[in-house]
Amino acid sequence: DAGVIQSPRHEVTEMGQEVTLRCKPISGHNSLFWYRQTMMRGLELLIYFNNNVPIDDSGMPEDRFSAKMPNASFSTLKIQPSEPRDSAVYFCASSFMGTSTDTQYFGPGTRLTVL
Amino acid sequence: AQSVSQHNHHVILSEAASLELGCNYSYGGTVNLFWYVQYPGQHLQLLLKYFSGDPLVKGIKGFEAEFIKSKFSFNLRKPSVQWSDTAEYFCAVRAGTYKYIFGTGTRLKVLA
Repeated sequence: DAGVIQSPRHEVTEMGQEVTLRCKPISGHNSLFWYRQTMMRGLELLIYFNNNVPIDDSGMPEDRFSAKMPNASFSTLKIQPSEPRDSAVYFCASSFMGTSTDTQYFGPGTRLTVL
Repeated sequence: AQSVSQHNHHVILSEAASLELGCNYSYGGTVNLFWYVQYPGQHLQLLLKYFSGDPLVKGIKGFEAEFIKSKFSFNLRKPSVQWSDTAEYFCAVRAGTYKYIFGTGTRLKVLA
């Protein structure tokens, strides 16, 4: 199993530009999570999908952030326009929800730097 | 409110020393508990997990954790640390059906 795959691994962009982060969950998993990690705030849940449907987006900072999951094997997190305060590591995680023992598995993350 | 507290933010140990990292949670329902490790520049990896049964859980790389329900704690232990254990350690609680609450992490540095 390849695990959760994220791309790009590093992204440097200028303020105002659109940024798209990509995630491929583990095959067979039905739940996908986007997290943001910063020194100040730690690990924050941004949005959670179950069976490709957004269930909880209460952690999405503002309208500049949007996420989609068009199918079970792909999700995107978009920031438009990007701002320096968006600089962070963005993690995608997936799990198989439906058992009492489901566990989240994390991807390698995308380190985003907005200049 | 649901929360996870990791009281030690930074820990420095010499190789072969014993390790215990504290984790306390605040959640009234049934909990599932996790420890994740993040090596420098890498993603979070699952170290161990507790769902039910024996409150002493053994994980990878010689780590173990003990769930003490009366103390709302899930402390991580290792009898003898190695330089390669240098990493950041996160405790997490699954509260409800999907939401994981993560602690702020403990940075462990092991001196060779």
